Amino acid sequence: DGGITQSPKYLFRKEGQNVTLSCEQNLNHDAMYWYRQDPGQGLRLIYYSQIVNDFQKGDIAEGYSVSREKKESFPLTVTSAQKNPTAFYLCASSTASGGAYEQYFGPGTRLTVT
Amino acid sequence: QQQVKQSPQSLIVQKGGISIINCAYENTAFDYFPWYQQFPGKGPALLIAIRPDVSEKKEGRFTISFNKSAKQFSLHIMDSQPGDSATYFCAASSNSGNTPLVFGKGTRLSVIA
Repeated sequence: DGGITQSPKYLFRKEGQNVTLSCEQNLNHDAMYWYRQDPGQGLRLIYYSQIVNDFQKGDIAEGYSVSREKKESFPLTVTSAQKNPTAFYLCASSTASGGAYEQYFGPGTRLTVT
Repeated sequence: QQQVKQSPQSLIVQKGGISIINCAYENTAFDYFPWYQQFPGKGPALLIAIRPDVSEKKEGRFTISFNKSAKQFSLHIMDSQPGDSATYFCAASSNSGNTPLVFGKGTRLSVIA
């Protein structure tokens, strides 16, 4: 999993609660990404960040928030506004945003909300 | 939304056979085309990637074929093995546009003995 850690591996929450997923990388990569994976849907981009203190919305940002206070950390908060939060969440990083550089993924966090 | 369309959704191949997965894209500015392999419960791992200045790239049993005029690229897995059973994703991006990767929806490959 190439120096990207996500914790925890499994996370359970009650509906209506906010939850924060951790993502840390020690690859000195500039860009970091959050994806959501649902069966048959591929990987959908939630948010991405090219540099510290800056981030951009992806295709499905509604109900999510992020911060990028440190180069190595990019936590994702799933808020109570996210209608269907149960999914497999993947964090990734690359040496620069734009895809011309290899993108490495973490092991993922499976979130279950009941 | 720039799309990458991937087919088939699922594929069953006999051990020793050739697995072929196809992708088509719309954005002519795309200039980087990676393939990722994902095992259940794990994050995707980069398998092989190609740029449009070449029509083919081979790494071991894995080959990418690229057709710029048709805006299509494909992954060929030669001598497929049960250990290749996984989900494969194609992706694309434009460096000039500085955009993140756009992924296909994935192909679940099962290699049977």
